[in-house]
Amino acid sequence: DAGVIQSPRHEVTEMGQEVTLRCKPISGHDYLFWYRQTMMRGLELLIYFNNNVPIDDSGMPEDRFSAKMPNASFSTLKIQPSEPRDSAVYFCASRSHDSLTEAFFGQGTRLTVV
Amino acid sequence: ELKVEQNPLFLSMQEGKNYTIYCNYSTTSDRLYWYRQDPGKSLESLFVLLSNGAVKQEGRLMASLDTKARLSTLHITAAVHDLSATYFCAVDGRSSNYQLIWGAGTKLIIKP
Repeated sequence: DAGVIQSPRHEVTEMGQEVTLRCKPISGHDYLFWYRQTMMRGLELLIYFNNNVPIDDSGMPEDRFSAKMPNASFSTLKIQPSEPRDSAVYFCASRSHDSLTEAFFGQGTRLTVV
Repeated sequence: ELKVEQNPLFLSMQEGKNYTIYCNYSTTSDRLYWYRQDPGKSLESLFVLLSNGAVKQEGRLMASLDTKARLSTLHITAAVHDLSATYFCAVDGRSSNYQLIWGAGTKLIIKP
């Protein structure tokens, strides 16, 4: 398996624009997590899904953030409108509850909002 | 509510020295994970500890888990510069529904 795949790797956008981050989890994994990492706040869980259903979105900072998982192999995190304080690295991770293994992370998307 | 505390948060040490990073957690858990993150990179799994008394070793790193004390340690032996990174521990709480609860990370700098 190629691992968790995120796109794009880097995104620079202007304040007010819509940004969509994409994630393909490892095949067979039934949990998908979206994290945000900044120097100031560290690693924060934004939302996670089980079998494509959102379980906990309490970490989503505001209504400008939304996430979907239309099927087992694809998820998106959307920010609309984007603001400079959204600049961060966004990670997607997946895991399987069957094997009690760790979560596997994608390479991340570095978002810069100017 | 499950909380995870790592200490120290920052550690600067000389090559060749030994040191230990501690990970304490607040409620019962049988599963603990250690990750490494290099600057500008993603998080990479190092060790998976799935039971009380579990010990895993790879190279100069050794991790252990004491579920009764709610404590895991990551021991570095004869540190080398290549081990410079940020190390995170994460815990599966029994009621966390497969959500990992993370420590704040320990930034380790090893000077030649």
